[in-house]
Formats: sequence, C-alpha cells, structure tokens
Amino acid sequence: SQQGEEDPQALSIQEGENATMNCSYKTSINNLQWYRQNSGRGLVHLILIRSNEREKHSGRLRVTLDTSKKSSSLLITASRAADTASYFCATVIGSGNTGKLIFGQGTTLQVKP
Amino acid sequence: DSGVTQTPKHLITATGQRVTLRCSPRSGDLSVYWYQQSLDQGLQFLIQYYNGEERAKGNILERFSAQQFPDLHSELNLSSLELGDSALYFCASSVSWTSGIGGPFTDTQYFGPGTRLTVL
Repeated sequence: SQQGEEDPQALSIQEGENATMNCSYKTSINNLQWYRQNSGRGLVHLILIRSNEREKHSGRLRVTLDTSKKSSSLLITASRAADTASYFCATVIGSGNTGKLIFGQGTTLQVKP
Repeated sequence: DSGVTQTPKHLITATGQRVTLRCSPRSGDLSVYWYQQSLDQGLQFLIQYYNGEERAKGNILERFSAQQFPDLHSELNLSSLELGDSALYFCASSVSWTSGIGGPFTDTQYFGPGTRLTVL
C-alpha cells in the first residue's frame, strides 16, 4: 500500500513559472525524501527533510514539511524544460529505522519551453 | 551518476524462467535496497540488506529472493517468472550506522539506473 499521495497527479506549466507539488502521508515518519525520475530512468535524489525540520532549500528547490498535517510540498522555482519529469515523495516510517522508503504515486511535471 | 551500478540494463525472458539481477552499491554503503516499479503498483519496496543480513522485507513474492555478499554487492533472484513480473527493478544503497541504542539508522538512498525486465 502507498503511504504517500501526491497532488496533483499531473502538472503542466510554462518555462519560468513555479511548480508546486504536494505530498500527504499517513503515519509518523523519520524523514521524507523527494526524488525525480526522467521517463523510464533511475531515480535521482533531490532533497531529504527530517521530521524535526520545517523547511529546506537546495538551489531552485524548496521543501516544506508539516508533521501536524502529515504533508510536504516541493516547490521548483523558475522552472526549465529540463525539469520535465516525474516527482515522487518517499517517507521513511517511524519504527525500526530500517530505511524502507514508501513512495507515493508521483506527480508528472511537464515544463513547456 | 549515483555510484550505484546495476546489471543487466535490460532482460527479456520467458514465463517460467529464472533470472538474477545484480547490484553494486556505492563505495562504503552498507545498506542495499531493492524496489520494483510497475505501471499498476508504482514503486514498491521489496527487501533491504544491511552488511550482509536481511533487515526488512516488503511486498516480495516467495518466488523472489535476494542476498548480499561479503563484498556488499547484492543479487535479486526471480524465479518461475510470470508476465506480471515485467517491471523496472531498482537497487539503492545508503550509508547506515548504529548508535549503540538502535539502528541501523539510514540516510539518503541513492538509486541505480535499474534493470528493465520483460517477461514474454
């Protein structure tokens, strides 16, 4: 079963615009990670935010985490055509510290030049 | 390049056959994870090994098995293959550590390029 649910499932924007993707999860987490996947290829790690952090930045990426609402958002600013990909949130659930990632279904982002 | 390597890149086989997928983790990473990505199930965790020992199991079928060798590379064995096993199989690795009060605690997982398995 999926822990995370991304919203929207698909997003289409123009180059230069900002893209916001949301992720909701069900159980308490150790950390939440965002990954990017270009069509049919491997997953690229974007950013990790721990359960005691509220916001994190990396280049044009901004991730927020609201543990009270069990939600996270990924903001990509000044988007580029090269940002076209699927974006997944993945949670590491609370107990056992096994590191098992539970992925959402992903948001497919299309950035039009 | 994540530093995680997987072989082969593509595998085409017939139903009922057995295949082995191989993964080499990043240098120094002790944990290896296997995930399956299919259109209907999305990305699913299969199994984790930490320093040679099985650490966690997910939605892994009994027909599937894995192991991690002393040099830390891992193999995923899929047997009695069915059409529904066609998928992308990813391996990931991470730095893990123990604190003496629990663990292994893990951090960012780095994914390999995947093996695309097609069962005909």
